[in-house]
Amino acid sequence: NAGVTQTPKFRVLKTGQSMTLLCAQDMNHEYMYWYRQDPGMGLRLIHYSVGEGTTAKGEVPDGYNVSRLKKQNFLLGLESAAPSQTSVYFCASSYSASLAGHSYNEQFFGPGTRLTVL
Amino acid sequence: DQQVKQNSPSLSVQEGRISILNCDYTNSMFDYFLWYKKYPAEGPTFLISISSIKDKNEDGRFTVFLNKSAKHLSLHIVPSQPGDSAVYFCAASVEDYKLSFGAGTTVTVRA
Repeated sequence: NAGVTQTPKFRVLKTGQSMTLLCAQDMNHEYMYWYRQDPGMGLRLIHYSVGEGTTAKGEVPDGYNVSRLKKQNFLLGLESAAPSQTSVYFCASSYSASLAGHSYNEQFFGPGTRLTVL
Repeated sequence: DQQVKQNSPSLSVQEGRISILNCDYTNSMFDYFLWYKKYPAEGPTFLISISSIKDKNEDGRFTVFLNKSAKHLSLHIVPSQPGDSAVYFCAASVEDYKLSFGAGTTVTVRA
């Protein structure tokens, strides 16, 4: 049981290049999320998905696209990278709180991807 | 516009003493509050939570207190141990699945 895994762990891009970050979870979770963590800002939600084939915008969606073609995978794409997208990106997943038998949303996080855009 | 704020970026405490981390929020609709702990080069892990209908929740060395009227919560760690050195994030939920996070507080436990 690997939990939540992220690929790659590190990446350096030049401005204007594109890339895709892959997130995979083996816990059969319905919900998946992409966050970015910046100094002094905490974790900010980029996009999320409440089920296979669905996606929705979070707090800071501009410049990113996502896809959830399979329940266990959630992909984050940068079509034209900018230096402002230099950050640490975390993927997370969770059950529906009600299905888990409680009312709070415990999210399980991956180890992160450190992205630098030059 | 951050709805969850942790105003102390860092905290240093001696081993065996109490660590108190604070968190303020602005959205009165938040109904669940969570604390996450994060070690370097790892993702955050869930630590403890509290519902808005309670004012205290305890789990071993960790206790979370909620003051709804002041829109304030705190995490107490007693006694603090070297393994508690990490970044602690406060988070709040207004719906089933979306969390708003604070900026984090780095705790250093001195031997």
